[in-house]
Amino acid sequence: AQSVTQLDSHVSVSEGTPVLLRCNYSSSYSPSLFWYVQHPNKGLQLLLKYTSAATLVKGINGFEAEFKKSETSFHLTKPSAHMSDAAEYFCVVSAVGFQKLVFGTGTRLLVSP
Amino acid sequence: SQTIHQWPATLVQPVGSPLSLECTVEGTSNPNLYWYRQAAGRGLQLLFYSVGIGQISSEVPQNLSASRPQDRQFILSSKKLLLSDSGFYLCAWRPGLAGGGETQYFGPGTRLLVL
Repeated sequence: AQSVTQLDSHVSVSEGTPVLLRCNYSSSYSPSLFWYVQHPNKGLQLLLKYTSAATLVKGINGFEAEFKKSETSFHLTKPSAHMSDAAEYFCVVSAVGFQKLVFGTGTRLLVSP
Repeated sequence: SQTIHQWPATLVQPVGSPLSLECTVEGTSNPNLYWYRQAAGRGLQLLFYSVGIGQISSEVPQNLSASRPQDRQFILSSKKLLLSDSGFYLCAWRPGLAGGGETQYFGPGTRLLVL
């Protein structure tokens, strides 16, 4: 079975400060892990993905995530938040050969000026 | 490049009316196709997925149905809408070939309000 837990439903930061969105996963197989972002009333956009290559994954818009097997974590970070980063972020797990993605419940990132 | 379209973008329907939402993908062949629903303030719920024409897997029993009449077309339907069907409906695709990866690519969504 596979599951993800996003540890924070809301995260608030000031513009220019670091962002940390936390995600823990559970998987019976070697996982594929993803972060998607959703802006209001929009579809989901892929930020980055881990598929058993380098454990530090760089994505779009300055985001990156580190796969830590010992901690079963895949936290999303960004050194400096921008106002345009305000959105809902979903951590997602799957596995090779699996037809489906398993989504976390989402973390809403609020960025204040 | 591949693109995914959904329409309509927004829909307001009375309770008990029928529903048809359409999703089409361009630039790829034999994709896997997915329908998700996102209720207000909640995560994504997988409703249906399809690995080929006429092949539909249902994840959640409800008054919705899905069909795939063509390779790159996926339709979500209902004969009689309920208030609880309100939400944001997202279509997604992924490569259907073995080794194509698990990444799904999402459409812009349809906002459905049932009154």
